[in-house]
Amino acid sequence: SQQGEEDPQALSIQEGENATMNCSYKTSINNLQWYRQNSGRGLVHLILIRSNEREKHSGRLRVTLDTSKKSSSLLITASRAADTASYFCATDRTTGNQFYFGTGTSLTVIP
Amino acid sequence: DAGVTQSPTHLIKTRGQHVTLRCSPISGHKSVSWYQQVLGQGPQFIFQYYEKEERGRGNFPDRFSARQFPNYSSELNVNALLLGDSALYLCASSSGQFYGYTFGSGTRLTVV
Repeated sequence: SQQGEEDPQALSIQEGENATMNCSYKTSINNLQWYRQNSGRGLVHLILIRSNEREKHSGRLRVTLDTSKKSSSLLITASRAADTASYFCATDRTTGNQFYFGTGTSLTVIP
Repeated sequence: DAGVTQSPTHLIKTRGQHVTLRCSPISGHKSVSWYQQVLGQGPQFIFQYYEKEERGRGNFPDRFSARQFPNYSSELNVNALLLGDSALYLCASSSGQFYGYTFGSGTRLTVV
C-alpha cells in the first residue's frame, strides 16, 4: 500500500509560474524525499529532508516538512517546460533505505 | 561514473513463465532496492538488500524473490508470471540512510 498521498493528482500551469504540490503521510518518518519521473522512466532524486528539518532549498526547489501534520510540500519556482513530469514523495517507516512512494502529482508546464 | 544499470530494458513473457531482472548499482553503493511501478501509480517497494542480506520485503507474494551478489549487483526473480505482473521494475542503489536513491531506467515487463 502507498505510504503517502500527493495532492493535487494533476497540475497544469504556465511557464514562469510557481508550482506547489503537497504530500501527506500516515506514520512517523525519519526522512522524506521528493523524486521526479519523466514519462515512465527512472526516477530522479530531487531533495531529501530529515524529520528534524522544517525547510530545505535546492536551486528552484523549496521543500517544507510539518511532522505534526504529517505533510510536506514541494514548491518549484519560475517553472519551465522541462519541469513537466510526475513528482513523487517518498517516506521511510524504519531505519534504513526502505522508502514508500505516494501516488504522484502530474505536472504540466505550458510554454 | 556509470549510474544504476538495469537489464533488459524491455521484456515480453507469457503467463506462467519465469523472469530474471538484473541490476548493477553505482560503484561503492552497498544497498540495492527493487520497486514495481504499475502504469499510473507510484512505485511499490518489493525488496531491499544491504551487504548481500535481505533488509526488507514489501507486500508481494513468494513468487517474487531476489538476491544480492558479492559485487553488490542484484537479481529479481518472478515465478509463475501473471498478467498483473506487467509493470516497470525499478532498481535503486544508495550509499546510506540519509542519502537519496539513484534509480535505474527500469525494465518494462509485459506479460501476455
